[in-house]
Amino acid sequence: GAVVSQHPSRVICKSGTSVKIECRSLDFQATTMFWYRQFPKQSLMLMATSNEGSKATYEQGVEKDKFLINHASLTLSTLTVTSAHPEDSSFYICSATMSYGYTFGSGTRLTVV
Amino acid sequence: DAKTTQPPSMDCAEGRAANLPCNHSTISGNEYVYWYRQIHSQGPQYIIHGLKNNETNEMASLIITEDRKSSTLILPHATLRDTAVYYCIVRVEGSNYKLTFGKGTLLTVNP
Repeated sequence: GAVVSQHPSRVICKSGTSVKIECRSLDFQATTMFWYRQFPKQSLMLMATSNEGSKATYEQGVEKDKFLINHASLTLSTLTVTSAHPEDSSFYICSATMSYGYTFGSGTRLTVV
Repeated sequence: DAKTTQPPSMDCAEGRAANLPCNHSTISGNEYVYWYRQIHSQGPQYIIHGLKNNETNEMASLIITEDRKSSTLILPHATLRDTAVYYCIVRVEGSNYKLTFGKGTLLTVNP
């Protein structure tokens, strides 16, 4: 079946630094990918929709200058958390659309210290 | 997308069937019912989806009422590994519409 590979699975960074998270579709082309954020004991919250070759569409309240999304190819989308702060610590998950729905990456646990 | 309502939590004994309900009374005619689950600290996993007929696959069965205002996900023989948060979502199939997650149901399978 369709697989979305997300890396890294865990990352710890210092406050003020930037972190890049990669999301790859391994055996299919994904024209659209989605990025979610999940805080402890909460549901997934959509952050942005990433379209290959165009600018991402951000949900209300998500800072586009802080969460940079690049979807340069049909198999790769990246999320860069710039100038990370402790409140950015969260579980970040990407997904790609398939004919029957969505397939998700395994998630990235970001801890900002 | 139509809103869904699910109980916040349910318990099930290992080996027994787990029946997870979902209400979607405002579902539109072209919206499908999707079920996903999320095991702790993992990405969501697709389970099953359907429009109006009952569906079955290797993981589960989906029963949709005739008026399509509610559905039930059935795990026929629950195992401890089925402990997860189960999300019922309605959306149009085959589109790139964003997938909106509600709070889901935390299913705990007990030994």
